[in-house]
Amino acid sequence: KAGVTQTPRYLIKTRGQQVTLSCSPISGHRSVSWYQQTPGQGLQFLFEYFSETQRNKGNFPGRFSGRQFSNSRSEMNVSTLELGDSALYLCASSNIEGYNEQFFGPGTRLTVL
Amino acid sequence: AQSVTQLGSHVSVSEGALVLLRCNYSSSVPPYLFWYVQYPNQGLQLLLKYTTGATLVKGINGFEAEFKKSETSFHLTKPSAHMSDAAEYFCAVSDRGYSTLTFGKGTMLLVSP
Repeated sequence: KAGVTQTPRYLIKTRGQQVTLSCSPISGHRSVSWYQQTPGQGLQFLFEYFSETQRNKGNFPGRFSGRQFSNSRSEMNVSTLELGDSALYLCASSNIEGYNEQFFGPGTRLTVL
Repeated sequence: AQSVTQLGSHVSVSEGALVLLRCNYSSSVPPYLFWYVQYPNQGLQLLLKYTTGATLVKGINGFEAEFKKSETSFHLTKPSAHMSDAAEYFCAVSDRGYSTLTFGKGTMLLVSP
């Protein structure tokens, strides 16, 4: 089975712009979660989608949003980028029957200048 | 709210020495517990997990961890370190029935020849 894929792998944007990141889960997985990883804050949960519905949300401002499509692929969007949004954004998919085990993609490295 | 504490942001060992990475969690009920490893510029790879049953859990690459409810701990060990074990290790917890992971700050394992 193919693993979780994320595109693009690297992205450079400037302050004020918006960005869309994409995640394709493992085939058959219906839950997709997003995490932000920074040196200062570590790994923080952004949101989780299951069957096209946001099931859980972390403590991030409304500039961070996401969605999930009928094929379970997910996108996250960050509007009005700030320097502090520079981070590695990780997507994880899970089979809800698998004791919450999440499989992570390689991440998208976002740099905001 | 759950929290995870990893004692020591950096741990240094010699090749062939015992590896011990510490993890303590706070939760009102025993959660699911995970250890992930992250190599540079990569996503997270699951090493092992505790969900139910035997409290000593064996994972990949010779790692194991023991769930101790009385100590709210889930320390990761490996009898003999290898150079290829050098990476960052994350302990994580999730509530039973939920996918969201709460991570510790991570421990960088350094292995010297």
